[in-house]
Amino acid sequence: AQSVTQPDIHITVSEGASLELRCNYSYGATPYLFWYVQSPGQGLQLLLKYFSGDTLVQGIKGFEAEFKRSQSSFNLRKPSVHWSDAAEYFCAVAKNQAGTALIFGKGTTLSVSS
Amino acid sequence: GAVVSQHPSWVICKSGTSVKIECRSLDFQATTMFWYRQFPKQSLMLMATSNEGSKATYEQGVEKDKFLINHASLTLSTLTVTSAHPEDSSFYICSARASGSGTGELFFGEGSRLTVL
Repeated sequence: AQSVTQPDIHITVSEGASLELRCNYSYGATPYLFWYVQSPGQGLQLLLKYFSGDTLVQGIKGFEAEFKRSQSSFNLRKPSVHWSDAAEYFCAVAKNQAGTALIFGKGTTLSVSS
Repeated sequence: GAVVSQHPSWVICKSGTSVKIECRSLDFQATTMFWYRQFPKQSLMLMATSNEGSKATYEQGVEKDKFLINHASLTLSTLTVTSAHPEDSSFYICSARASGSGTGELFFGEGSRLTVL
């Protein structure tokens, strides 16, 4: 069965420092992978997605993620974190090739220190 | 971008009562909507897939008689928690897929927090 693991429950990064949030997935075929951000009181917002092609995906707000099949990973990165990036981040994999129901990881809470 | 709205955003009810949560796609038609449940500090757990004009498909372990889902139109899906109990207290989130869109074109509502006393 499909699953997503986000090993880090909580990460604190200094403002201006680089960020990497880890995500590992389990899926039999080529996965459709996503990163979402959830801010308090707001719905989930799509940061980026990977379906096929270039394994380095660019998203909104300066985020990028790299799909590594050999490591079953889809880590999210940002070169310089801003205080407004503090939020909950979820990695997700599509449940199947045809549908769009998503299986989410448990999330990583990002705190940004000044 | 496309907007999905949930109502109410917060509801408190007594044990044994039923609560209805609405999920609306405001500026697009959604043939498919998804309902998730999120516990504090936990991931989103898919409850069911709702297709306009047909019965919802429930995930394993989700009681369909407990969580009634109706997708009566292309812009509205409702989740009714029947005979709610304190253990049903949670954050319920819907997402909608625009008609004709490819995989991943999902838009999420802001969530509805249910507290059962």
